[in-house]
Amino acid sequence: TQLLEQSPQFLSIQEGENLTVYCNSSSVFSSLQWYRQEPGEGPVLLVTVVTGGEVKKLKRLTFQFGDARKDSSLHITAAQPGDTGLYLCAGANFGNEKLTFGTGTRLTIIP
Amino acid sequence: NAGVTQTPKFQVLKTGQSMTLQCAQDMNHEYMSWYRQDPGMGLRLIHYSVGAGITDQGEVPNGYNVSRSTTEDFPLRLLSAAPSQTSVYFCASSRQAPTNEKLFFGSGTQLSVL
Repeated sequence: TQLLEQSPQFLSIQEGENLTVYCNSSSVFSSLQWYRQEPGEGPVLLVTVVTGGEVKKLKRLTFQFGDARKDSSLHITAAQPGDTGLYLCAGANFGNEKLTFGTGTRLTIIP
Repeated sequence: NAGVTQTPKFQVLKTGQSMTLQCAQDMNHEYMSWYRQDPGMGLRLIHYSVGAGITDQGEVPNGYNVSRSTTEDFPLRLLSAAPSQTSVYFCASSRQAPTNEKLFFGSGTQLSVL
């Protein structure tokens, strides 16, 4: 079983601060996705990264896939209360039809 | 724009009871899956299907059955509910296996087994 560990598990910061959350594995993945989940709803896809070293930006969010395709990070600049939610990474491999989710980071932005 | 529809939203069962969680998608997606979400454990795959008539086990399949008689529907059956099955269940679908595909989720079913 491929495991994805996310850190920190919980993070609470003031509005306007920057933050980084991490997704780590001992396994190599063909692609890695990041989802955000709000209370009472299902996760919603933010981004997919497929190339080692790839960096993708989505407004104030920056996603990076590690060179060895075993880890990823999500950096948020000038956090807003609307960024509050559960952030989940998920890894997949070509030829394997399963998506493995990480343990999640619960982020709270305090106004 | 219905997307992925799950019913019911909430359910309380007694130990030993059986029930079916319904999932339907209107996007003509080939891939459908069921996950359970427990605190601190992320989402764990229960069963998945790559097309009508084809199902396979995920990470935590014990105690659950699925079938895929149509492209649209993918029900999850609990044969004899146990307290360990108390969880939030999510159905999800994508065009193909989610290696590089967007997975669309339903809004979840919160199940309590007493």
